Amino acid sequence: QQPVQSPQAVILREGEDAVINCSSSKALYSVHWYRQKHGEAPVFLMILLKGGEQMRHEKISASFNEKKQQSSLYLTASQLSYSGTYFCGTVPDYKLSFGAGTTVTVRA
Amino acid sequence: EAGVAQSPRYKIIEKRQSVAFWCNPISGHATLYWYQQILGQGPKLLIQFQNNGVVDDSQLPKDRFSAERLKGVDSTLKIQPAKLEDSAVYLCASSLDRLAGGYNEQFFGPGTRLTVL
Repeated sequence: QQPVQSPQAVILREGEDAVINCSSSKALYSVHWYRQKHGEAPVFLMILLKGGEQMRHEKISASFNEKKQQSSLYLTASQLSYSGTYFCGTVPDYKLSFGAGTTVTVRA
Repeated sequence: EAGVAQSPRYKIIEKRQSVAFWCNPISGHATLYWYQQILGQGPKLLIQFQNNGVVDDSQLPKDRFSAERLKGVDSTLKIQPAKLEDSAVYLCASSLDRLAGGYNEQFFGPGTRLTVL
């Protein structure tokens, strides 16, 4: 069963912050975050493992609450290059299930 | 380091025709994945190979889709016959191996955009 992401879309001005949430109905081993720009392949951002630390990729960070089966992606001081669709992928067993994505648009 | 290669990049076919997609993963990557991404949705795993063995194909419509990974390197995904609802981007990805309790980073190819008319 695929994870649920919210919001579906967000529009930001450069320098603003945003949070994307990802939740699963199953216990998770790990959560993955990918970003896909229009017409391109998804690109890996980070993996959060059970019992692991909060991860960062540039000014993008993420947390993983194992008990709540939730992860959040934090876009801090957003840049134009952050525009794209962000997918969380959850691993409750041995395969990755992607959410429907959150489209982020950063405007100058 | 060369990335994941896929061909063709675009394909337009009529319904009931056949089509095949090819993928060459990053050298040394044991695990290969085929995903279907319908417009506006996240990638959906169709099949996962570990070397040349199938690990998971539970979401592969086996009446029309088939995939193989001979010699544990490159892979082919075939659709026969195609339906209108097969219109999507087919993404191939590879990773070094499977982590215990999770996955390694997956590297995606550019995808093949299939249009079925």
